[in-house]
Amino acid sequence: NAGVIQTPRHKVTGKGQEATLWCEPISGHSAVFWYRQTIVQGLEFLTYFRNQAPIDDSGMPKERFSAQMPNQSHSTLKIQSTQPQDSAVYLCASSPGSNTEVFFGKGTRLTVV
Amino acid sequence: AQSVTQPDARVTVSEGASLQLRCKYSYFGTPYLFWYVQYPRQGLQLLLKYYPGDPVVQGVNGFEAEFSKSNSSFHLRKASVHWSDWAVYFCAVRNYNQGKLIFGQGTKLSIKP
Repeated sequence: NAGVIQTPRHKVTGKGQEATLWCEPISGHSAVFWYRQTIVQGLEFLTYFRNQAPIDDSGMPKERFSAQMPNQSHSTLKIQSTQPQDSAVYLCASSPGSNTEVFFGKGTRLTVV
Repeated sequence: AQSVTQPDARVTVSEGASLQLRCKYSYFGTPYLFWYVQYPRQGLQLLLKYYPGDPVVQGVNGFEAEFSKSNSSFHLRKASVHWSDWAVYFCAVRNYNQGKLIFGQGTKLSIKP
């Protein structure tokens, strides 16, 4: 079990460019989450899939951010027209069920210059 | 609304001393509670979890936590800290209906030699 795999681990983009972050959840897990971590805001929930269906995207900025889960083995978080304030560590996580523990990947550090 | 409060942003203890990190939650119903640890430049690792049942739960590396419904608390304890415990600790509650984890702001633990 390799755990939740996130790629790339580090990404630098220029202001206005698009960034796509990838996540491979633990095999067999039905729930996938995306979080953003910054010093100022701490850990912020972005979005949540269950059995590939979007369940809760209440934390997603309405513009520029989108997440997809085209199959059970990967999810993507896309940020269009990146801005410096998007710089953060983006964490993907998965869980076997609704009330069980959640396992996190090591994160992707996004830097917008 | 559900929330988690960790009142101490920073805690410093001497190596070998006992430790308590505080966590207060606001949740309607019976919560599922977790403590995670984040070592420098790493992802979140699960320390322990509380599901309804025995209020004292044991975790990895000698950590334990006690759930109190009357105090709305889930404090983390360790009898004797080691320098390797130097990390940031997050308390979290999982929303039963929606499934997402709601985190506290974290407590940064430093160890004095």
